[in-house]
Amino acid sequence: KAGVTQTPRYLIKTRGQQVTLSCSPISGHRSVSWYQQTPGQGLQFLFEYFSETQRNKGNFPGRFSGRQFSNSRSEMNVSTLELGDSALYLCASSYGVSQETQYFGPGTRLLVL
Amino acid sequence: AQSVSQHNHHVILSEAASLELGCNYSYGGTVNLFWYVQYPGQHLQLLLKYFSGDPLVKGIKGFEAEFIKSKFSFNLRKPSVQWSDTAEYFCAVNARGNTGKLIFGQGTTLQVKP
Repeated sequence: KAGVTQTPRYLIKTRGQQVTLSCSPISGHRSVSWYQQTPGQGLQFLFEYFSETQRNKGNFPGRFSGRQFSNSRSEMNVSTLELGDSALYLCASSYGVSQETQYFGPGTRLLVL
Repeated sequence: AQSVSQHNHHVILSEAASLELGCNYSYGGTVNLFWYVQYPGQHLQLLLKYFSGDPLVKGIKGFEAEFIKSKFSFNLRKPSVQWSDTAEYFCAVNARGNTGKLIFGQGTTLQVKP
């Protein structure tokens, strides 16, 4: 099976812009979770989508949003970018039921200038 | 709120030394526990996991971890490290029934000297 894929892998934006990141889960997985990884804060949970519905949400401002499509692919959007949004954004997928392992993609590295 | 604490931020060992990385979590209910590893330039990979049953779990590459419920701990061990074990190690937990939300520790950077 192909692993979790994320596009683009690298992105440079300026403050105030918006950005959309994409994640394709492992075939058959219905849950997609997003995480932000920074040197200072480590890995922080953003949100999870399951069957096109947001099932969990972390403590991030409303500028961070996401959605999931019927084929389980997911996108996350960050509006009005700030310098502090520079990070590695990771996507993980699973079947979405109890006692499960999340499988991670390679991430999208976002640099905000 | 759930939280995970990893005691060691940076560990330096020589090859063949034994490794133990500490992990404690804070949560009142039933949890699933994980250790992930991030090798330089690679994505997060699962080392091992605990859901239920035998509290001593074995993972890939000779790693093992022991779940001690009374201490809320899930420490990672390896009897003899290799240079190729140089990586960042993350302990993570999610609540049983809420598997989409992983809470991670701050990570431990392991440097193994040849």
